[in-house]
Amino acid sequence: NAGVTQTPKFQVLKTGQSMTLQCAQDMNHEYMSWYRQDPGMGLRLIHYSVGAGITDQGEVPNGYNVSRSTTEDFPLRLLSAAPSQTSVYFCASSPVMGRKFYEQYFGPGTRLTVT
Amino acid sequence: DQQVKQNSPSLSVQEGRISILNCDYTNSMFDYFLWYKKYPAEGPTFLISISSIKDKNEDGRFTVFLNKSAKHLSLHIVPSQPGDSAVYFCAASEAQGAQKLVFGQGTRLTINP
Repeated sequence: NAGVTQTPKFQVLKTGQSMTLQCAQDMNHEYMSWYRQDPGMGLRLIHYSVGAGITDQGEVPNGYNVSRSTTEDFPLRLLSAAPSQTSVYFCASSPVMGRKFYEQYFGPGTRLTVT
Repeated sequence: DQQVKQNSPSLSVQEGRISILNCDYTNSMFDYFLWYKKYPAEGPTFLISISSIKDKNEDGRFTVFLNKSAKHLSLHIVPSQPGDSAVYFCAASEAQGAQKLVFGQGTRLTINP
């Protein structure tokens, strides 16, 4: 049981390049999300999904796209990278059962630098 | 507008003493609160949570207190151990968007031997 895995661990992009950050979980969790962590800002929600085929925007969605074709995978796409997207990105998952809240499990993060 | 605030960027405590980390929030719709712990180069890990119907929740050395009228919560660690040195994030959620967490900026806790 690997939990939440993220690839790559590190990435350097040039302005305007595109890339996809991968996230996978093997816990059969319905809910998955992407956060970015910046110094002094805590973690901010980018996009989230409550199940395959369902995605929605979080607090800072601009410049990012997501899709959820399977329960296990939730990739985050940067279509045209900008220096403002330099950050550490975390993927998280949790089960969803009715209205009860469950704590989220986080992956190890991807450190992205855009030059 | 920062809805969840941790006003102390860092805290240094002697081993064996009590560590108290504080968190304030502004959104009165928040009704579930969590604390996460983060080591360098790792993702945050869940520590303890509290629902707004309670004012205290305890788990071993960790206790979270919630004061709804003051919109304030705190995490107490007793006794503090060197392995507790980490960044602690407070997070909150509204019932309606139950899985959408709003995080504070984090407090770096250092436990000195």
